[in-house]
Amino acid sequence: SQTIHQWPATLVQPVGSPLSLECTVEGTSNPNLYWYRQAAGRGLQLLFYSVGIGQISSEVPQNLSASRPQDRQFILSSKKLLLSDSGFYLCAWRQEPGGYTFGSGTRLTVV
Amino acid sequence: GEDVEQSLFLSVREGDSSVINCTYTDSSSTYLYWYKQEPGAGLQLLTYIFSNMDMKQDQRLTVLLNKKDKHLSLRIADTQTGDSAIYFCAESPGGYQKVTFGTGTKLQVIP
Repeated sequence: SQTIHQWPATLVQPVGSPLSLECTVEGTSNPNLYWYRQAAGRGLQLLFYSVGIGQISSEVPQNLSASRPQDRQFILSSKKLLLSDSGFYLCAWRQEPGGYTFGSGTRLTVV
Repeated sequence: GEDVEQSLFLSVREGDSSVINCTYTDSSSTYLYWYKQEPGAGLQLLTYIFSNMDMKQDQRLTVLLNKKDKHLSLRIADTQTGDSAIYFCAESPGGYQKVTFGTGTKLQVIP
């Protein structure tokens, strides 16, 4: 069966520090992968998506970047975190027609 | 552009039916989804409906689609306290294109 793993679950980082969030998928090959951010107020903002190794599309210009070094691995990074980067980060895998399967999320607090 | 709107809050008594409403603007929407998010967790796909359907029923869940008015609803029969969560409506043109989420409706079930 297909599963999606995301870690860490919670993270507290100081302003200006780097960030690396990892997402891996099991049980499928060549998945379409997504990073979303959910700020307070609950709306979901699409940050990046990837249709294959090394292929990254950015939806919103910002302080973050994404990489896909392996078929089933998707990484969200930042060189220097801002206070505004705080939020709940969700990785997702898309399959038709069922929509997304989401990871359990990472709660990031930048202090 | 695409826009998906939901009311922010709904309160119902345990045992009653809940109806969560959603409107969308993209006439090319092919798939319409309902997701559930419990506190501190990722989003869980509850159900989805294809745009050529008017209704879909799955146990306590009934989805109604009025394509003319671009209105989608989720009815939860015999609402339980475990149904308390945020419910997101989402739409997509399909074919792995972007999924647009509403801002979510927080359902509170009163014992």
